[in-house]
Amino acid sequence: GAVVSQHPSRVICKSGTSVKIECRSLDFQATTMFWYRQFPKQSLMLMATSNEGSKATYEQGVEKDKFLINHASLTLSTLTVTSAHPEDSSFYICSAPSGQGINQPQHFGDGTRLSIL
Amino acid sequence: QKEVEQDPGPLSVPEGAIVSLNCTYSNSAFQYFMWYRQYSRKGPELLMYTYSSGNKEDGRFTAQVDKSSKYISLFIRDSQPSDSATYLCAMGGGSEKLVFGKGTKLTVNP
Repeated sequence: GAVVSQHPSRVICKSGTSVKIECRSLDFQATTMFWYRQFPKQSLMLMATSNEGSKATYEQGVEKDKFLINHASLTLSTLTVTSAHPEDSSFYICSAPSGQGINQPQHFGDGTRLSIL
Repeated sequence: QKEVEQDPGPLSVPEGAIVSLNCTYSNSAFQYFMWYRQYSRKGPELLMYTYSSGNKEDGRFTAQVDKSSKYISLFIRDSQPSDSATYLCAMGGGSEKLVFGKGTKLTVNP
């Protein structure tokens, strides 16, 4: 089945640090990937859609200068949380559809737990 | 009214029980429906995917979709302690984005 790998799984760092999270599709190509944020006991909140070769599309209320997204190849998208602060602490998860077009199921990475001290 | 409503539970059942998980939705544009299982501190894992009304079975899992009532269900037969997780419904239509329910936390007791 389609496998999405996310790295790192856990980050603990000081306030003001920038943190980079990688999302890779291991056995398929993904022109689109999605970045979500999940708070404890809450559902997934879509932050942005990462598009290979073009700018990411951000959801309303998500700061694009705070959460930088780069989709440099058909198998890799990165999310950089710039100058992270304690309120950015959360569980960040990426996903990618395994097929082209709409109506495709998404496959998720195992998430990155970010803790800002 | 939220686009997708899912009872958060928690739901606790004995091993071997039949579990019924449900979601309702309001957007008629939704065409395809998924159920994900999420273990603690892990990403969601795709369990079932369907795009038509009716039932779809995969082992102990059955997904049911009733588009006329805007209601979907996931049934788990012969539930096992390893089924203990949070179950998320998700749906989409007309775009690549998915809308998720809040998730139902299930505990299967040995």
